[in-house]
Amino acid sequence: GQQLNQSPQSMFIQEGEDVSMNCTSSSIFNTWLWYKQDPGEGPVLLIALYKAGELTSNGRLTAQFGITRKDSFLNISASIPSDVGIYFCAGLIQGAQKLVFGQGTRLTINP
Amino acid sequence: DAMVIQNPRYQVTQFGKPVTLSCSQTLNHNVMYWYQQKSSQAPKLLFHYYDKDFNNEADTPDNFQSRRPNTSFCFLDIRSPGLGDAAMYLCATSNWGATEAFFGQGTRLTVV
Repeated sequence: GQQLNQSPQSMFIQEGEDVSMNCTSSSIFNTWLWYKQDPGEGPVLLIALYKAGELTSNGRLTAQFGITRKDSFLNISASIPSDVGIYFCAGLIQGAQKLVFGQGTRLTINP
Repeated sequence: DAMVIQNPRYQVTQFGKPVTLSCSQTLNHNVMYWYQQKSSQAPKLLFHYYDKDFNNEADTPDNFQSRRPNTSFCFLDIRSPGLGDAAMYLCATSNWGATEAFFGQGTRLTVV
């Protein structure tokens, strides 16, 4: 089945640092989504990417859809304490209308 | 305002005692999903409905069933919960052909 490899699995950074995480796949996806999940809550959609090469920003977050359609990255600039959580990439299997998730990146921020 | 609502947020059930989790949506989306998420893992799709058409994932145990009586509501029934079924259960919705899915806050199930 289709799988997404997300890295790193965890990050420990200082407040104010920039963060970068990425997802790769052996399969092509037409849509990449990035979600953030706080403890005990459901995932919240951060950014959606629809076109190969697309670069999209949402505040301090920037995400890109890779040219090959097999990868995506998410950057967070000038991290703040509320950025703590687990970030998931997800690829949409169109036609089946199903999301495949990466393993998640757990972000911890030291004040 | 919450658009995908899951009840209850926390559910404790006894080993082997049937339990039902509920999800409602105000988005009028035609697709509803149930995911299982165990600690520190990615959400795993159990099944989804496209309107009334039920689509089961191949590796979803028979112990898990679902009902969708109307567009707004979808239920997850666990017929005989085992200790290994303790997890966060997430409901999500989207429209067929759309590229985004929206999640509820989840129900954390504890089996004692």
